[in-house]
Amino acid sequence: GEDVEQSLFLSVREGDSSVINCTYTDSSSTYLYWYKQEPGAGLQLLTYIFSNMDMKQDQRLTVLLNKKDKHLSLRIADTQTGDSAIYFCAERAGTASKLTFGTGTRLQVTL
Amino acid sequence: DGGITQSPKYLFRKEGQNVTLSCEQNLNHDAMYWYRQDPGQGLRLIYYSQIVNDFQKGDIAEGYSVSREKKESFPLTVTSAQKNPTAFYLCASSAGQIIAKNIQYFGAGTRLSVL
Repeated sequence: GEDVEQSLFLSVREGDSSVINCTYTDSSSTYLYWYKQEPGAGLQLLTYIFSNMDMKQDQRLTVLLNKKDKHLSLRIADTQTGDSAIYFCAERAGTASKLTFGTGTRLQVTL
Repeated sequence: DGGITQSPKYLFRKEGQNVTLSCEQNLNHDAMYWYRQDPGQGLRLIYYSQIVNDFQKGDIAEGYSVSREKKESFPLTVTSAQKNPTAFYLCASSAGQIIAKNIQYFGAGTRLSVL
């Protein structure tokens, strides 16, 4: 079955870049997503990438996809304290309705 | 103001009691989902529904039940058979699997605790 893995914690200084990594196992993934969760809240979609793309940029966010290694990353430039949250990657296999989520990476931004 | 509304925000269950979590959406989405979130375990799918009057079990359906009588509503009942119900429950909806991106949008969640 599908499996999505992320490291649990990342700490960066304000103003630095953050890179959050994700690996997945399903070779039939069509779309991959990054969501952000602030404390006590639901998930907010940040960005997504189609599996035939290598990179997608959206303001401070850059998504890189290495389909051969099944590796997805989210880079946040000029990280701010408001970026402190849990970040989830998720993948959609083929035309399935459901998504498979990773365990989430808690990003801590220090001054 | 379009979106997904979950209620209540906090819920307490007594032993042996069934409780129902509400999820309503006004996005005209066909598909709806229920997830359970435990610390360090990410989101696990409980049930999902791709269309009215139809639903499928997810990865951890035991001890839960759902109904989908209206497009806008997908309530989740946590039954007394669920022995460890304390968790954060998230409801989501999406346009449906025929839509390529099929982005899921989430409610604000319900935190369920056992008394």
